[in-house]
Amino acid sequence: QSALTQPASVSGSPGQSITISCSGPSYYFGNYDLVSWYQQHPGKAPQLIIYEVNKRPSWVAYRFSGSKSGYTASLTISGLQAEDEADYYCCSYAGSSTYVFGSGTRVTLL
Amino acid sequence: QVQLQESGPGLVKPSQTLSLTCSVSGGSISSGGHYWSWIRHQPGRGLEWIGYTFYSGSPNYSPSLRGRTTISPDPSKNQFSLSLTSVTAADTAVYYCARRGVILRDAFDIWGQGIMVVVSS
Repeated sequence: QSALTQPASVSGSPGQSITISCSGPSYYFGNYDLVSWYQQHPGKAPQLIIYEVNKRPSWVAYRFSGSKSGYTASLTISGLQAEDEADYYCCSYAGSSTYVFGSGTRVTLL
Repeated sequence: QVQLQESGPGLVKPSQTLSLTCSVSGGSISSGGHYWSWIRHQPGRGLEWIGYTFYSGSPNYSPSLRGRTTISPDPSKNQFSLSLTSVTAADTAVYYCARRGVILRDAFDIWGQGIMVVVSS
């Protein structure tokens, strides 16, 4: 099982929008719309921010959104804020009742 | 509100077995149809899904760790556990227990705070 590929880092200025990509084999993203995203601040546990590609849990701000096109899923943060500085991980159902995570992306504010 | 808490030794010798327990409070592992998972974060690497179990059993594991991993439920104690055999330094990581959601389908919606385990002699 290969990890999903994410850029190591993405940066943006406060108020800007950024997008984090997550790419994987066709047999992950081609067959399932079961992509989730997690935010992790240093020393803290990951927190779910997007599930089923583009659904947002009730506790998550509207500025977080998800999408998928072909074999790439994306997380967009609109109106970047200081508290959005964190690591972000995608995750996909990988078939046969297994899951695979992405390599992680560090978001920094300029 | 459901909460998860990992416990176990923070230091394990190479070739020995890593054993961790996740205690669930605020809800029962036997209700809701959830699956109970272990996920780890090795230094300098991304998250890695280890496996999960239902409250009645039927575990499933990552192909890369299958053969060394056992995840077992204990509904009487409202806990589930992880056993990883023949550990090496590569198994050094923060280990998290997490709940796989039902309504939030195929997503890990509640996590423990994590426990650091170092494999070293």
